[in-house]
Amino acid sequence: DGGITQSPKYLFRKEGQNVTLSCEQNLNHDAMYWYRQDPGQGLRLIYYSQIVNDFQKGDIAEGYSVSREKKESFPLTVTSAQKNPTAFYLCASSDGTNTEAFFGQGTRLTVV
Amino acid sequence: QKEVEQDPGPLSVPEGAIVSLNCTYSNSAFQYFMWYRQYSRKGPELLMYTYSSGNKEDGRFTAQVDKSSKYISLFIRDSQPSDSATYLCAMSSYNTDKLIFGTGTRLQVFP
Repeated sequence: DGGITQSPKYLFRKEGQNVTLSCEQNLNHDAMYWYRQDPGQGLRLIYYSQIVNDFQKGDIAEGYSVSREKKESFPLTVTSAQKNPTAFYLCASSDGTNTEAFFGQGTRLTVV
Repeated sequence: QKEVEQDPGPLSVPEGAIVSLNCTYSNSAFQYFMWYRQYSRKGPELLMYTYSSGNKEDGRFTAQVDKSSKYISLFIRDSQPSDSATYLCAMSSYNTDKLIFGTGTRLQVFP
């Protein structure tokens, strides 16, 4: 089955700890994206990558970090510097800059 | 002013109604337009993808693009309770490297 897999679905962490969210795709897409979604709000772009070993900051990159060592993987680390990390995180991929993006099922992160 | 504007709703309609969901945008360079449906606590799923102006139909769904007015629409015919979700529009241009999303419209279809 082709698609995007995010894991875990739910994640709980204590304040001050870094946490890494996994995103894997087997669609052979070049581009991958991380979004954050808060209740009642739209998608906000955190980081994106158009090609392996390269990535760019989105609109709300502070407190987050990413890597793109493999085409199929784009993990997101939520660091302790992120002031309000509790949110729903969505990963997406696309075949190019002007094609449709496909989303994973999301990871709900709760920091207590 | 945001690049893409979308009424957050909620929009509440009876089953069987025709639903019209809309987005306006300010960047005249946008050429690629998408509609996504998102159920609660799920990832968005792509419903429609259109390029430039015109209409595209897929089953009960019709996407319409009016570039002269910078306005796109998604029509849902014979709406069902299972259509209750948040609908997000998204768009991009040939010289952008990311999609620009609207904030989403929450639709409720009651039996």
